[in-house]
Amino acid sequence: GAGVSQSPSNKVTEKGKDVELRCDPISGHTALYWYRQSLGQGLEFLIYFQGNSAPDKSGLPSDRFSAERTGGSVSTLTIQRTQQEDSAVYLCASSLYGQGAQYFGPGTRLTVT
Amino acid sequence: AQSVTQLDSHVSVSEGTPVLLRCNYSSSYSPSLFWYVQHPNKGLQLLLKYTSAATLVKGINGFEAEFKKSETSFHLTKPSAHMSDAAEYFCVVSDRSKGKLIFGQGTELSVKP
Repeated sequence: GAGVSQSPSNKVTEKGKDVELRCDPISGHTALYWYRQSLGQGLEFLIYFQGNSAPDKSGLPSDRFSAERTGGSVSTLTIQRTQQEDSAVYLCASSLYGQGAQYFGPGTRLTVT
Repeated sequence: AQSVTQLDSHVSVSEGTPVLLRCNYSSSYSPSLFWYVQHPNKGLQLLLKYTSAATLVKGINGFEAEFKKSETSFHLTKPSAHMSDAAEYFCVVSDRSKGKLIFGQGTELSVKP
């Protein structure tokens, strides 16, 4: 079946602009996660959605980062007023339940110039 | 708090020889552990998972890992390396209370002809 999809695959933006990254999880998966992969920091958790519960935002690095999940499916990660240190690969994952194995999308490579 | 430590940042083997990638974990309760693989410019692929069933876990592409509670280890092995195994490997523990994954720093595996 279809895996996790993310768009765009690459995004180049100017410092100070806002960007939106999209994730479409595996159908039927109730849990959705965002991670960031950068050279200096490795793989970092950002935010976690589980069903209709309030999201776990404990990994968001600043208030410029936000995410929403509409209708329990598609999620959008928004970064406002982008900075160069936001340059990274943003990965989305989903799992059937909150504690199971997570399946990752191909990622969005964000470059802030 | 849970954590994982990958003991080698880089491992180099010859094609046809065994692979050993080492991982130690720290957890206050019985953990869920995973190995993921990331090929260059690709997303993360689940290799195998341990979730408190059999201590020897078999994964895809001939990889397996053994959970050893007494040693707090979850090393990844393969009897015979193939050129296509060259990639970065991540040992991962799941945060039971929040569902997020906590990643090790990764081990880059090189396979020489």
